Amino acid sequence: AQKVTQAQTEISVVEKEDVTLDCVYETRDTTYYLFWYKQPPSGELVFLIRRNSFDEQNEISGRYSWNFQKSTSSFNFTITASQVVDSAVYFCALSEAWGTYKYIFGTGTRLKVLA
Amino acid sequence: DGGITQSPKYLFRKEGQNVTLSCEQNLNHDAMYWYRQDPGQGLRLIYYSQIVNDFQKGDIAEGYSVSREKKESFPLTVTSAQKNPTAFYLCASSELRGQVTDEQFFGPGTRLTVL
Repeated sequence: AQKVTQAQTEISVVEKEDVTLDCVYETRDTTYYLFWYKQPPSGELVFLIRRNSFDEQNEISGRYSWNFQKSTSSFNFTITASQVVDSAVYFCALSEAWGTYKYIFGTGTRLKVLA
Repeated sequence: DGGITQSPKYLFRKEGQNVTLSCEQNLNHDAMYWYRQDPGQGLRLIYYSQIVNDFQKGDIAEGYSVSREKKESFPLTVTSAQKNPTAFYLCASSELRGQVTDEQFFGPGTRLTVL
């Protein structure tokens, strides 16, 4: 069965600190996709990144970076020099590569960045 | 602008009443999804549809119904059979591209409260 675990329920940091959000997944599929979404207070989920299981390259986008390690079944998300606008709930999700295209979401990590 | 609209933003319902949540997309996506979000939990899939006039149950379909008469529309009805309908409901859509799982785009959500 597929499962996504985000063990950190809530994290608080002071502005300009770096912060890493953990995501651990379980799947029997060899081909799958991983996603990160941001949910600001407005409620709408905003897509951040998609990664397929064959691409273990780390990715950097501005202050955001992602570390994908199949050996530990983890897809962690780091925000460098955090800002107040980064305050949100962040969700990690897993999807099989074909068929139903269903997502399995983690329970989310609430990030509070304090000024 | 392309996107997903959901209406209403807030909805109040008396116990025993059915209520319909609207979801419209102009992204020309084939697939559409309905999720339920409860406080402190991840998103759970209610129903999804990959083609007009066809839809499948997700993980928590009991007490809900949907229709897909048009590609751009996927309304969700919360029936009186749903035991605990108070929640935040999110609609999403995505492309379907064979063995590629595309990112899902989300609407702003409808917050349903049962009085």
